Amino acid sequence: EVQLVESGGGLVQPGRSLKLSCTASGFAFGDYVMNWVRQAPGKGLEWVGFIKNKAFGGTTQYAASVRGRLTISRDDSKSIAYLQMDSLKTEDTAVYYCSTSAFDYWGQGTLVTVSS
Amino acid sequence: DIQMTQSPSSLSASVGDRVTITCRASLNVNYYLNWYQQKPGKAPKLLIYAASSLQSGVPSRFSGSGSGTDFTLTISSLQPEDFATYYCQQSYSTPLTFGGGTKVEIK
Repeated sequence: EVQLVESGGGLVQPGRSLKLSCTASGFAFGDYVMNWVRQAPGKGLEWVGFIKNKAFGGTTQYAASVRGRLTISRDDSKSIAYLQMDSLKTEDTAVYYCSTSAFDYWGQGTLVTVSS
Repeated sequence: DIQMTQSPSSLSASVGDRVTITCRASLNVNYYLNWYQQKPGKAPKLLIYAASSLQSGVPSRFSGSGSGTDFTLTISSLQPEDFATYYCQQSYSTPLTFGGGTKVEIK
C-alpha cells in the first residue's frame, strides 16, 4: 500500500526556517518525481514545486512565489522528500502536502503557521 | 504562467442531479488536465487524469471531457458523498496551476 506521511510542521516566526519531511512507503520511491503542494487556510491549492528522480537528474522546479526561499531535496536511501523553508513569511501559512508524480497519491498534510 | 479558471465557483444541487463543472485554460494544455475532489480537512483525491481517464477506484458517475483550453467534469447522478470542492489542474507546463475550485453544496 502506498503511503506518504508529512511531518515537521508547526508554529514558526517570520524570517525563521522550518524543514518538512515526506516519508514514503509502498512504492519504488527513487523512480518517482515528488511534488509539494500547499493550501492556505480557506483557500485553494497551490503547487509549490517538484524534484525529479535521479534518472532525470534530480532537478527541481518551483513556483515563483517560493523560488529562492523554499528548497526541495530527497534521500532515496530513506524514501524521504524534504521541503526546506527559509525566510518564512506570514503568507507561507498553509497545509503542506507531498504527492507523487501523477498526483495519484497524497499525504495527509502538515500545517505550517508563520506568525509572531 | 497558464491560468486555470473554473466555473461556477459554487453550486447547490440535489442528490440525483447531473452536475457539470467547467475549467478553462489561458493557453492550450492539450490533454494534460486533472480533476480532484477535496473534502474538508482531507487531502485532494485524483478523480480524472489526462482530461478524460477515470482514476482507478473512482465511481463511473464521474467523467471528464475536453482538450486544448476547455474542459468539463460531469457527475451524472450526484450522491451524498460527492458534496465537496472540486479542482482542475494543468500538468502541461510548469508552474503547474490549479483552478480556484468549485464547491458543490447540498440544495
